[in-house]
Amino acid sequence: QKEVEQNSGPLSVPEGAIASLNCTYSDRGSQSFFWYRQYSGKSPELIMSIYSNGDKEDGRFTAQLNKASQYVSLLIRDSQPSDSATYLCAVRPNAGGTSYGKLTFGQGTILTVHP
Amino acid sequence: SAVISQKPSRDICQRGTSLTIQCQVDSQVTMMFWYRQQPGQSLTLIATANQGSEATYESGFVIDKFPISRPNLTFSTLTVSNMSPEDSSIYLCSVAADTQYFGPGTRLTVL
Repeated sequence: QKEVEQNSGPLSVPEGAIASLNCTYSDRGSQSFFWYRQYSGKSPELIMSIYSNGDKEDGRFTAQLNKASQYVSLLIRDSQPSDSATYLCAVRPNAGGTSYGKLTFGQGTILTVHP
Repeated sequence: SAVISQKPSRDICQRGTSLTIQCQVDSQVTMMFWYRQQPGQSLTLIATANQGSEATYESGFVIDKFPISRPNLTFSTLTVSNMSPEDSSIYLCSVAADTQYFGPGTRLTVL
């Protein structure tokens, strides 16, 4: 079983719609969760981090975390063609110590926003 | 924030040779990491680069194949040794500061 799982997609949504990206993880002790965006040929760029259950909003992006279900999601409202990219879910096992910074990534979801 | 640069940005190498990738950060950071992203795949952690001591390698990665140096808090190198076509990947340096940042990557093709 993979430690971090995402639907690889591709996920295609029309411009202006809500894109919903999902991620599950296997390590129940995981503490920190991240969403990265990666454009083709570029390195990952952090767009959201979330550490506690519930929702966290930043502009058009909302991250949702449910630790009981071991589930984290990213919603992109008013999707734009410029949002077309691969979205990587990343999990850090615990809050500090030797695991700090050691992220486990999902395989990524390819999102296409069409005009 | 941290600004990370890597050299080279890309290279094409022959089987059996070695390539050293450099990572420079614009500020002192305690935690530096090397990741690999194989074609069409996600990122996999190779090792943690420890300042002043040997790197800590993840399962499946060994020092003889991926020797790492970390002479100070702003610089690290990763060498890919005795390369084969399976080593063709993007190699990314990463630092954990207020958050985790990635360098622009080195795209390696092994013929």
